[in-house]
Amino acid sequence: EDQVTQSPEALRLQEGESSSLNCSYTVSGLRGLFWYRQDPGKGPEFLFTLYSAGEEKEKERLKATLTKKESFLHITAPKPEDSATYLCAVFYTGNQFYFGTGTSLTVIP
Amino acid sequence: DTGVSQDPRHKITKRGQNVTFRCDPISEHNRLYWYRQTLGQGPEFLTYFQNEAQLEKSRLLSDRFSAERPKGSFSTLEIQRTEQGDSAMYLCASSSGGTNQPQHFGDGTRLSIL
Repeated sequence: EDQVTQSPEALRLQEGESSSLNCSYTVSGLRGLFWYRQDPGKGPEFLFTLYSAGEEKEKERLKATLTKKESFLHITAPKPEDSATYLCAVFYTGNQFYFGTGTSLTVIP
Repeated sequence: DTGVSQDPRHKITKRGQNVTFRCDPISEHNRLYWYRQTLGQGPEFLTYFQNEAQLEKSRLLSDRFSAERPKGSFSTLEIQRTEQGDSAMYLCASSSGGTNQPQHFGDGTRLSIL
């Protein structure tokens, strides 16, 4: 069965402590992988799109990478304002976006 | 770019009542999506439109749910005979270009069933 799994479910970091979030997928015919940030009570905010293995995208303290089986969201020197839930979504044959359950990130000052 | 707008932001209703939500997409976005999200879960796809045509519906979408997008602009999602299990955040998203382009989300309508 096609699946998207995010790990860890929750992550607590000290300010400045870099780490990575993982999104692994088993869907066939991947046509795009998307990272979103979601704050409580808000809709997901688009961060990155990755279309092919080996692709990388960067934005401020965030860097997303993609392999044939997984994607990583690297957070360098995080700040408290980076605290949020990070969602990945895959788009594959069937014209549907399938979201993972997210990683809840807390950055402690 | 005013973003995706959803109305109302919150809706409280009694079980068995009908409710309707509205979504105004980013102007010129031809694709519009509806999702449902419950606490601790990612958004679940419900249905999507390309212009005014409803092209896909999830197996999760029961007969009590109906969506429209007249004239290819705003969209409405109606839930008839609401049940406790319908309590969730209903999110709308829009995109332009191909189907693999990123979707941009509104802040949702939170539905609570008493």
